Amino acid sequence: QVQLVESGGGVVQPGGSLRLSCAASGFTFTTYGMHWVRQAPGKGLEWVAFIRYDGSKKYYADSVKGRFTISRDNSQNTLYLQMNSLRAEDTAVYYCAKVSGYHFDYWGQGTLVTVSS
Amino acid sequence: QTVVTQEPSFSVSPGGTVTLTCGLSSGSVSTGFYPSWYQQTPGQAPRTLIYSTNTRSSGVPDRFSGTILGNKAALTITGAQADDESVYYCVLYLGSFIWVFGGGTKLTVL
Repeated sequence: QVQLVESGGGVVQPGGSLRLSCAASGFTFTTYGMHWVRQAPGKGLEWVAFIRYDGSKKYYADSVKGRFTISRDNSQNTLYLQMNSLRAEDTAVYYCAKVSGYHFDYWGQGTLVTVSS
Repeated sequence: QTVVTQEPSFSVSPGGTVTLTCGLSSGSVSTGFYPSWYQQTPGQAPRTLIYSTNTRSSGVPDRFSGTILGNKAALTITGAQADDESVYYCVLYLGSFIWVFGGGTKLTVL
């Protein structure tokens, strides 16, 4: 069955960096695009970034453009999110999600990122 | 900036029917936005319910249905059950590989 397991969350100071990982299994990772979606405490879901199946194209929400980088290692079935210049408003649970067509069909359980001094 | 609108909250009686909607701050929602719907309970990851307007995800009971109603996407729950009490999010695909979530509707079953 499809499994997505995020890791790498933690506490980081404002202006700092963090790299999240999402280990994928149970499907052919190399043929699917992937998303990152986040959820601030007590708030709604926010789409963050998308990467095509082969990593050739990457797209970002305006709120993270220029600070976050989505990438993938298809040899390791792993998705990444490099987060730089972190701000308090980036505090959230970060989910990875598998693409199917134009929607998100499987989700990980999320990893918490807290930006605080 | 495009805003996807949802009712902040809704309530339904057990066994009742409720329709939640998903609109755009400007313009109409059509099938070309590939509206999808997700259910989330506290502390859990979202669960995919409906995609491409009206296709149920695997394992989703047929009490959940999606459609376009007027200028909005809509999610209808018939025969509401206690465990339908959740937050429901819609997502619209805006094109150019950009997706936007609505703010979510907190559904209370009482």
